[in-house]
Amino acid sequence: QVQLQESGPGLVKPSQTLSLTCSVSGGSMNSGYHYWSWIRQPAGKGLEWIGRISTSGSATSNPSLESRVTISIDTSQDLFSLKLTSVTAADTAVYYCARRATWGPEYFDSWGQGTLVTVSS
Amino acid sequence: SSELTQDPAVSVALGQTVRITCQGDSLRAFSANWYQQKPGQAPLLVIYDKKHRPSGIPARFSGSGSGTTASLTITGAQAEDEADYYCDSRDSSGYHVVFGGGTKVTVL
Repeated sequence: QVQLQESGPGLVKPSQTLSLTCSVSGGSMNSGYHYWSWIRQPAGKGLEWIGRISTSGSATSNPSLESRVTISIDTSQDLFSLKLTSVTAADTAVYYCARRATWGPEYFDSWGQGTLVTVSS
Repeated sequence: SSELTQDPAVSVALGQTVRITCQGDSLRAFSANWYQQKPGQAPLLVIYDKKHRPSGIPARFSGSGSGTTASLTITGAQAEDEADYYCDSRDSSGYHVVFGGGTKVTVL
């Protein structure tokens, strides 16, 4: 059973860059048909898809965030990363990494536990 | 704003049946998935590709859909089913994932 674990600073100052890493264990990132994704959830609110990357390095992101988002992947180390630039208080949220199955239908079949990132000076 | 619309909240008596809906134009072309999220936990997949249950998900959870609407039904709701439920699918472009706003299910 694959496991995902987010890591990174829990506090980021406004206008700076939020950087998170998701470590994947229990299976190779290159096995199967999957996208590796980031999702966030502000306190008391719903889920927002940030973006995803394939093992070939092809990335796409939410149009509302794409000017600030960079997603990268290192399959040799079984991890992928998120950078979100020019953060504001509105970016304060629990950030999840997740695996999206793409073998036919698409769905998120594994999630990290989530990590809270607070944007504050 | 979300391209998938869900009712914010529903309630169901213990042991009764509740249906949650998810509406969006993209559902004509792409199937919906459903996730259960309890406080302080990551979402858990309960239905994928409109009607399929992952292993380990109780049979009281079922999914269906037609046209622009997908539905999640809990038949014989249990106290542990009290949670937020989110649908997801692709947006109208087909390139991006979109979530519904979520439905809070209260079991009375």
